[in-house]
Amino acid sequence: GNSVTQMEGPVTLSEEAFLTINCTYTATGYPSLFWYVQYPGEGLQLLLKATKADDKGSNKGFEATYRKETTSFHLEKGSVQVSDSAVYFCALSFVLGNQFYFGTGTSLTVIP
Amino acid sequence: EAGVTQSPTHLIKTRGQQATLRCSPISGHTSVYWYQQALGLGLQFLLWYDEGEERNRGNFPPRFSGRQFPNYSSELNVNALELEDSALYLCASSSKGGFDGYTFGSGTRLTVV
Repeated sequence: GNSVTQMEGPVTLSEEAFLTINCTYTATGYPSLFWYVQYPGEGLQLLLKATKADDKGSNKGFEATYRKETTSFHLEKGSVQVSDSAVYFCALSFVLGNQFYFGTGTSLTVIP
Repeated sequence: EAGVTQSPTHLIKTRGQQATLRCSPISGHTSVYWYQQALGLGLQFLLWYDEGEERNRGNFPPRFSGRQFPNYSSELNVNALELEDSALYLCASSSKGGFDGYTFGSGTRLTVV
């Protein structure tokens, strides 16, 4: 089947620290991979995506590389800010079918 | 451009009652998706509508149902509410194919007492 596994949270970092949130997937085909972010009291927003192996998605200083050999899509940011405090969801989807499969989310808190 | 709008923002119901949640997609989007975000359970896929038809549903009982109107807005109905139905219900929309990802609304917080 199709599924996404994210590292357990919560994660607490100091401002300007390096962030990695691990994400691995299981898929029956060749999915597109996504990271979504949910700020407190809001819905999910698309952060970045990658549609094929070795693609790198990037946005707002975050980046993730689609690694087919390790079935991973780890989220990284070199220097986090307090405003990055949110819940991050890794997800996969297929070109046909439209349904997204989400991980359980990783809560990030950045302290000044 | 208006985003995905959901109403109401909050809804409090008594066990056994029915709840109706509404969603308006982004203009031009024909697909609407419903997800349940219960505490500690991540996002669980509920329903997918496209062009007025139900295309897929998740592993939820039949008392979770919905429809999509000709203007592509959608309604989620939950009958015979149970305490465990308390959750944030998120609606998302996408263009046909959904290749660019979903756009989510801010959700309806349903509390069953």
